[in-house]
Amino acid sequence: DGGITQSPKYLFRKEGQNVTLSCEQNLNHDAMYWYRQDPGQGLRLIYYSQIVNDFQKGDIAEGYSVSREKKESFPLTVTSAQKNPTAFYLCASSMTVNTEAFFGQGTRLTVV
Amino acid sequence: GESVGLHLPTLSVQEGDNSIINCAYSNSASDYFIWYKQESGKGPQFIIDIRSNMDKRQGQRVTVLLNKTVKHLSLQIAATQPGDSAVYFCAENPSFGTYKYIFGTGTRLKVLA
Repeated sequence: DGGITQSPKYLFRKEGQNVTLSCEQNLNHDAMYWYRQDPGQGLRLIYYSQIVNDFQKGDIAEGYSVSREKKESFPLTVTSAQKNPTAFYLCASSMTVNTEAFFGQGTRLTVV
Repeated sequence: GESVGLHLPTLSVQEGDNSIINCAYSNSASDYFIWYKQESGKGPQFIIDIRSNMDKRQGQRVTVLLNKTVKHLSLQIAATQPGDSAVYFCAENPSFGTYKYIFGTGTRLKVLA
């Protein structure tokens, strides 16, 4: 089955620790995205990548980092510099511009 | 459960009735629009899309209407079913050639039995 897979579904982190969220797609999509979702707000773009070895900051990139070493994979690291990391994180991919973005099932990160 | 969707506008509809969910978009240059459905604890699911050269597009039980004059998008769901209960939100692609989408905050649809 083709799709986009995020892992883990739930993640707990102690303050001051970095944590990496996984996102893998087998849709052969060029573009991949990371969004953050908070209650009562729309999705906010953290980072996006149009092609392997290239990525761009979104609207709320501070405290996050990404890599795109393979077309299939776009991991997101939430660093200790992110002041309010508790949120629902969504990864998405799309074939190209102006096509629908397909989402993974999300990772809920909680800082304890 | 998933706390996404707290304090969202809510539309309550009787099972079997039609639902209309509205979205005002921000950029008059936007040329591509998508409606997503998000169930509690899950990622958004694509429902239907429309390009700016159209004003209506139909899918299975769903219709999207685009009014560029007033920057308004609506999603109509025919014969609403309990499985339609979810948060619905629209997304716009604000300019040609960009990978960046702008997402609305969403509307919660509750289907009453």
